[in-house]
Amino acid sequence: SAVISQKPSRDICQRGTSLTIQCQVDSQVTMMFWYRQQPGQSLTLIATANQGSEATYESGFVIDKFPISRPNLTFSTLTVSNMSPEDSSIYLCSVGGTSYEQYFGPGTRLTVT
Amino acid sequence: AQSVSQHNHHVILSEAASLELGCNYSYGGTVNLFWYVQYPGQHLQLLLKYFSGDPLVKGIKGFEAEFIKSKFSFNLRKPSVQWSDTAEYFCAVNAPLNDMRFGAGTRLTVKP
Repeated sequence: SAVISQKPSRDICQRGTSLTIQCQVDSQVTMMFWYRQQPGQSLTLIATANQGSEATYESGFVIDKFPISRPNLTFSTLTVSNMSPEDSSIYLCSVGGTSYEQYFGPGTRLTVT
Repeated sequence: AQSVSQHNHHVILSEAASLELGCNYSYGGTVNLFWYVQYPGQHLQLLLKYFSGDPLVKGIKGFEAEFIKSKFSFNLRKPSVQWSDTAEYFCAVNAPLNDMRFGAGTRLTVKP
């Protein structure tokens, strides 16, 4: 399985600002995913980011709020824009495995004050 | 759309007790099924997966799960839990060409 790292591991931000989360994988992968895990809840898919194409967003998530970059096969970023306290959550990136499974990074814990 | 239901929000067991966590999904076609575990302070880890073949799947740390197609179920089992199994467990379903959907999770607390 791939080894995935995320930066930052946690951050406290003021409302109205933006935060960019980085996801680095130790091997080349086609499919990368970004999830949100709100306190005490399950994972919700934000978008799928495949290299060479625009990210595909799930219902309820828009590019203006969560712009994603995927410049190569080992790296992706998710930006949380114009943050509000409701954006406080853990943000996770994952990569697709060989048989539809996914492997997850450690997550970024975001607190918006 | 696919959905995943986990029946138990919080399960409390004593060490050596047997464990069964329920998972049902709603999708009529071919599915891939997963159980993930999230230990306190750690990231999500793949516990086991089912794609085809033997419906009884064995995973890491003594866990197993049984796929029962007629019941749309994929329950997780362990004969004897340990304190170190205390964690959050997530069932997930992925149909071909669809995204992975996660259940709400079951928090397992094992008392020493």
